[in-house]
Amino acid sequence: GEDVEQSLFLSVREGDSSVINCTYTDSSSTYLYWYKQEPGAGLQLLTYIFSNMDMKQDQRLTVLLNKKDKHLSLRIADTQTGDSAIYFCAVENTGFQKLVFGTGTRLLVSP
Amino acid sequence: DADVTQTPRNRITKTGKRIMLECSQTKGHDRMYWYRQDPGLGLQLIYYSFDVKDINKGEISDGYSVSRQAQAKFSLSLESAIPNQTALYFCATSDHGTSGGADTQYFGPGTRLTVL
Repeated sequence: GEDVEQSLFLSVREGDSSVINCTYTDSSSTYLYWYKQEPGAGLQLLTYIFSNMDMKQDQRLTVLLNKKDKHLSLRIADTQTGDSAIYFCAVENTGFQKLVFGTGTRLLVSP
Repeated sequence: DADVTQTPRNRITKTGKRIMLECSQTKGHDRMYWYRQDPGLGLQLIYYSFDVKDINKGEISDGYSVSRQAQAKFSLSLESAIPNQTALYFCATSDHGTSGGADTQYFGPGTRLTVL
């Protein structure tokens, strides 16, 4: 089945850029997503990218997709302490029409 | 009011007890999901339902059962709870196909279950 991998932790200073990486195995995925989980809460969709795109920008967020390497990244510019959360990459399993989530990356932003 | 609600928010129970976690949504979505979250393992899909008469097993359905009582309600049961079912459980709904094709999932706040 689909496998989605992320590093577990990332620590940055306030004002720096954060880059969270994700690799996946299903090359037929149509949409790829980034979700954010704040402490004590459920996941919320941050952004998504269609598989025929290489890049998508949304304010401070930039998503890069490298289909050849099956690599997805999320860049957060000017990272703030409020960005501290767990970030999940998710890939749409088109065969079964459901999402497969990565392990999540815990982002810690220090002042 | 929250679009996706889960009850209870926290539950402590003993091994062998039957537990039901409930999920309700007001988003009018047909698709509903149950996930469990364990540290370092991300979210794992337990069961999913594409409509009231369509229920499917996910990756880790053993030891769990579900009931889709109505479009808005999807409950998860642990028939005989065991300690390794201690986890955070999330319900989600989906509007697959109505947002330009992207499958946006909307999550409830989660239920923290502890099995002693």
